[in-house]
Amino acid sequence: SQKIEQNSEALNIQEGKTATLTCNYTNYSPAYLQWYRQDPGRGPVFLLLIRENEKEKRKERLKVTFDTTLKQSLFHITASQPADSATYLCALNSGYSTLTFGKGTMLLVSP
Amino acid sequence: DGGITQSPKYLFRKEGQNVTLSCEQNLNHDAMYWYRQDPGQGLRLIYYSQIVNDFQKGDIAEGYSVSREKKESFPLTVTSAQKNPTAFYLCASRAPLIEAKNIQYFGAGTRLSVL
Repeated sequence: SQKIEQNSEALNIQEGKTATLTCNYTNYSPAYLQWYRQDPGRGPVFLLLIRENEKEKRKERLKVTFDTTLKQSLFHITASQPADSATYLCALNSGYSTLTFGKGTMLLVSP
Repeated sequence: DGGITQSPKYLFRKEGQNVTLSCEQNLNHDAMYWYRQDPGQGLRLIYYSQIVNDFQKGDIAEGYSVSREKKESFPLTVTSAQKNPTAFYLCASRAPLIEAKNIQYFGAGTRLSVL
């Protein structure tokens, strides 16, 4: 089965800096990879999806890369703001219609 | 408002009791999912349903049951057989695969505690 590793330690950065979060996976390369944001006590919210044949995807201040050779995705938030503080989850397709989620990495952006 | 509605927000279970968590969606999605989230853990799939009157076990189905009698509704029952039910439960739905590549939309969650 697919295993996903996200840094379990919180990432602390200063406002205005770029945050970079890592998602590593084992076994087979998924057809696509997704990133979600989760605020405390709330459900995850979809942010970005990147396909296996795409190297990079951008949406406003967000950028995702996908390296199927390294079996890794990087999630970047540029010009970070305190409002970006949340837990970010990586998810891969694990079957025809199911996802496997990582444990998430907490991001803390201080003013 | 379109979306996923979970109720109640907080639920307490007495020992030996079955409790049912509600999940309703008005997104007209065929597929629905139930996940369990424990502190510091990822989401673990309990059950999922791709169509009315059909559902499949996920990774941790023991001690849980579901039904899917209507497209809009996918209730989860936590039975007395689930010995460690304290967790945050999340319901999700998914747009058709051809459109949205398994992007899932989540409710606000139900936090279940044992008295």
